Amino acid sequence: NAGVTQTPKFQVLKTGQSMTLQCAQDMNHEYMSWYRQDPGMGLRLIHYSVGAGITDQGEVPNGYNVSRSTTEDFPLRLLSAAPSQTSVYFCASSYRPGQDSYEQYFGPGTRLTVT
Amino acid sequence: DAKTTQPNSMESNEEEPVHLPCNHSTISGTDYIHWYRQLPSQGPEYVIHGLTSNVNNRMASLAIAEDRKSSTLILHRATLRDAAVYYCILRDLYNTNAGKSTFGDGTTLTVKP
Repeated sequence: NAGVTQTPKFQVLKTGQSMTLQCAQDMNHEYMSWYRQDPGMGLRLIHYSVGAGITDQGEVPNGYNVSRSTTEDFPLRLLSAAPSQTSVYFCASSYRPGQDSYEQYFGPGTRLTVT
Repeated sequence: DAKTTQPNSMESNEEEPVHLPCNHSTISGTDYIHWYRQLPSQGPEYVIHGLTSNVNNRMASLAIAEDRKSSTLILHRATLRDAAVYYCILRDLYNTNAGKSTFGDGTTLTVKP
């Protein structure tokens, strides 16, 4: 298993540009989430999904869109990048509650800089 | 969402036990207590979880208070590789809010040689 993969690893954007951060998992996990982590801070939840076709907002959803057309993929779209979105972005996945070992598995992260 | 409270930082000496506390006074009956850690420049990784009883695995032990309003992650012999940020979070077992797992700022553990 590759686990949770994220691309790209690094990205530099100019203010106003848009882009999509990719996340994929090969563990057949129903739950997937996007977090951002600013320097020296903890993780904050952006959006999450409890299955294909179902998404919901987390703590800091403004400026981001998500969709979940397949179980495997959960892309995060930045609509119009702003310097405040400079951060490290982590994708995570897990089984649904009630299944054994429903801990979250995290990807290696995408480091995004917006100038 | 039920929240957790952890100290910002703790220090330990190498090869000594470490007790990392977490308060979760508003925990519900169906919330599992999960612990993760984040090594420098890496994504978080799962450490351990429990509901009511104390739990052990190869990485650590989890001690849960009888009223479940607090828990303690125990590293029995800290090594330099255990230096990380440790997060305590709650995940609801029975409803879709488990998808909405929020992390606080965690505890930064420094291990001194």
